[in-house]
Amino acid sequence: KAGVTQTPRYLIKTRGQQVTLSCSPISGHRSVSWYQQTPGQGLQFLFEYFSETQRNKGNFPGRFSGRQFSNSRSEMNVSTLELGDSALYLCASSPLGLSSGNTIYFGEGSWLTVV
Amino acid sequence: TQLLEQSPQFLSIQEGENLTVYCNSSSVFSSLQWYRQEPGEGPVLLVTVVTGGEVKKLKRLTFQFGDARKDSSLHITAAQPGDTGLYLCAGAWNQGGKLIFGQGTELSVKP
Repeated sequence: KAGVTQTPRYLIKTRGQQVTLSCSPISGHRSVSWYQQTPGQGLQFLFEYFSETQRNKGNFPGRFSGRQFSNSRSEMNVSTLELGDSALYLCASSPLGLSSGNTIYFGEGSWLTVV
Repeated sequence: TQLLEQSPQFLSIQEGENLTVYCNSSSVFSSLQWYRQEPGEGPVLLVTVVTGGEVKKLKRLTFQFGDARKDSSLHITAAQPGDTGLYLCAGAWNQGGKLIFGQGTELSVKP
């Protein structure tokens, strides 16, 4: 069974630009959640999508958004990039989502550097 | 607001030593998970504990969930260099729909 796949693995963007990251969950998983990991703040929850609907959201500004498609694949977008957005962005999938107590499985992440 | 306090933040030990990592909160969790993350990779689930007082063993790793489901510990016996990595605890609430992570413990085991 293929794991969670995230693309791209590495990217460099300039301040003010926007970026879109992609996540393909494990087959059959309907929940996709996104996290930001930085040395200073650790791993922080961004949002969770289930059946194409955002179900939960963390404490991030509106520049961070996401969506989920009918095949459960998900994208997250960050607009007007700031230097502080440099981080490892992790996607995780689970069958029914965080509120069901499911185990979640992480992808390898997308490393974003903003210069 | 950091709801999960993990300690210690850094740990450097010699091969063969034992160690314990702690994860504490004032909140009651429906479940608590432990992950291990290697540089450049995503976290990999080690164990999920659900019942207060539960103890789970994974080879040389022993995980315990506090009776009140507010804290957990990870004990490694006879650590090996292959145990080196970032250990993360994460708490979940069935009604909350979020997963809150501790700051992580960076473990280095020297041969």
